[in-house]
Amino acid sequence: GAGVSQSPSNKVTEKGKDVELRCDPISGHTALYWYRQSLGQGLEFLIYFQGNSAPDKSGLPSDRFSAERTGGSVSTLTIQRTQQEDSAVYLCASSPAGVTDTQYFGPGTRLTVL
Amino acid sequence: AQSVSQHNHHVILSEAASLELGCNYSYGGTVNLFWYVQYPGQHLQLLLKYFSGDPLVKGIKGFEAEFIKSKFSFNLRKPSVQWSDTAEYFCAVNAAVSTGRRALTFGSGTRLQVQP
Repeated sequence: GAGVSQSPSNKVTEKGKDVELRCDPISGHTALYWYRQSLGQGLEFLIYFQGNSAPDKSGLPSDRFSAERTGGSVSTLTIQRTQQEDSAVYLCASSPAGVTDTQYFGPGTRLTVL
Repeated sequence: AQSVSQHNHHVILSEAASLELGCNYSYGGTVNLFWYVQYPGQHLQLLLKYFSGDPLVKGIKGFEAEFIKSKFSFNLRKPSVQWSDTAEYFCAVNAAVSTGRRALTFGSGTRLQVQP
């Protein structure tokens, strides 16, 4: 079946602009995660959605970052007033609801802030 | 707080050599353990995982890992590497209970380069 998809695959923006990154999880997966991968910081957790529960936002680096998940499926990560340090690959993962379930990753969105 | 340490940052091997990549974790509870691989230009893929039971776990492409609880370790092994194993390898951990941290905590990664 289809895996996790993300769009766009690449995004170049100017400092100070807002960006939106999209994630389509695997159908039927109730858990959705956002991570980012950068040279200096490695792979870092950003935010986690599980069903209708309140999201775990503990990984968001600043209040410029927000995410929503509509209808328990598609998720959008928004970065406001982008900074150069936001340049990274943003990864989305989804999994079924069980505690032993594997997270399946999408191809990522490479964000470059000029 | 959870943390994962991968001590080897860059490993260069010749084909047919044996591989062992170290992974140690810190967490005050029961954990699930994972090794993910990222081939050049591709996305993260699961190599193998440990949840419970036999501490020696076998994954895809001939990889295996051993969970040693007393050492908080989950080292990845392969008896004979191939050029196609050139990739970056990430060890990761999350809580094994629904009330614990579900997000993965990753190690910094090990870049493996296999020379033909």
